[in-house]
Amino acid sequence: DADVTQTPRNRITKTGKRIMLECSQTKGHDRMYWYRQDPGLGLRLIYYSFDVKDINKGEISDGYSVSRQAQAKFSLSLESAIPNQTALYFCATSDPYSGRIHNEQFFGPGTRLTVL
Amino acid sequence: AQKVTQAQTEISVVEKEDVTLDCVYETRDTTYYLFWYKQPPSGELVFLIRRNSFDEQNEISGRYSWNFQKSTSSFNFTITASQVVDSAVYFCALSLAQGGSEKLVFGKGTKLTVNP
Repeated sequence: DADVTQTPRNRITKTGKRIMLECSQTKGHDRMYWYRQDPGLGLRLIYYSFDVKDINKGEISDGYSVSRQAQAKFSLSLESAIPNQTALYFCATSDPYSGRIHNEQFFGPGTRLTVL
Repeated sequence: AQKVTQAQTEISVVEKEDVTLDCVYETRDTTYYLFWYKQPPSGELVFLIRRNSFDEQNEISGRYSWNFQKSTSSFNFTITASQVVDSAVYFCALSLAQGGSEKLVFGKGTKLTVNP
């Protein structure tokens, strides 16, 4: 079973629609992240959360919001989707308590979002 | 500002050739971490290696090796005797030790195609 899951895996929506991407993890990690990947641009950080009460903006947070419903769940919302939000979205987790800082981040399978 | 540059957008080789993927980073911090991730055609991100700024030893893992040189701010990745299964996009990333932050700054990736 996958440790980090994302739903939906693919989504096509229309401009102006509200959409939510969900991420769940069974790794027991406190830290969770949302990235978007655009062709030729690599991955860019949208939001990150170090625990349920801690939410932080990343590099490209405009047009997005997040909710950390529980340690295991971190949702990304597009309040009013626009075409340039068409991208591949990744959720990731990390564990700062394993005795090593800057542990690797574990990524979900990604959600491919198309905004028409 | 922190930045990761992967100057090679695409590389194509024939199976069994050796190939080196370049990564140059910029940071003013003295403590930082470098990562390589692999993204095969299926789309998931696979962690390959983490290296901290105080450890300049090169590392070898099977056909993979990494050359970290602080003097040139580079963290290059070499695949020896490449195989078709190595075809993927490879990302280099930088993480900074700022207030416990583990945000990753990614390069734009290098697409490697290994032809039979």
